[in-house]
Amino acid sequence: DTEVTQTPKHLVMGMTNKKSLKCEQHMGHRAMYWYKQKAKKPPELMFVYSYEKLSINESVPSRFSPECPNSSLLNLHLHALQPEDSALYLCASSPNGGLSTDTQYFGPGTRLTVL
Amino acid sequence: GENVEQHPSTLSVQEGDSAVIKCTYSDSASNYFPWYKQELGKRPQLIIDIRSNVGEKKDQRIAVTLNKTAKHFSLHITETQPEDSAVYFCAATSTGFQKLVFGTGTRLLVSP
Repeated sequence: DTEVTQTPKHLVMGMTNKKSLKCEQHMGHRAMYWYKQKAKKPPELMFVYSYEKLSINESVPSRFSPECPNSSLLNLHLHALQPEDSALYLCASSPNGGLSTDTQYFGPGTRLTVL
Repeated sequence: GENVEQHPSTLSVQEGDSAVIKCTYSDSASNYFPWYKQELGKRPQLIIDIRSNVGEKKDQRIAVTLNKTAKHFSLHITETQPEDSAVYFCAATSTGFQKLVFGTGTRLLVSP
């Protein structure tokens, strides 16, 4: 398997809901990332996990809670989101735990709409 | 922190023409410069990358050049085709850990 997969593809949630996004890779990569992308903008880094440990949190609000249960899985738990959190959420992975010259491979994203 | 500027924001060319997209970065310690292509509703896909020990890299119709002194790098697409139409993002790493900082994107439109 040479791809990063994400589920669900689309998610609509109310501001009081709790939901989770899931990301999976079976390439043996040891770094995984969450990005947020608004329309017509570049991806913005949210979190980085290296060897299953959180290594970067880009001052993301606590209503977003990441989790890395094992080296192949990355979750993003969502709670009490705001309409402005509506965006495409992209997961990515890279081989060597996040070396500065590592290539990042992106999943197809989850299109999130918060009502 | 790192800052990446990208120009132009939109680029329209005729099929068969060449297209050039330019990026500048601020952090002289940056050492990895990927280019991603993103079609509407799709994931960013790596099309080419360059590391700081190389000045130029080519892959068929796509090439990237890097000028570390001037802190800029460019994407060159020759013999453009309609399927090259997409948004292209340049990126650069920040110092220390791998944090990709993206440029603002260039919307390339190739007309038949």
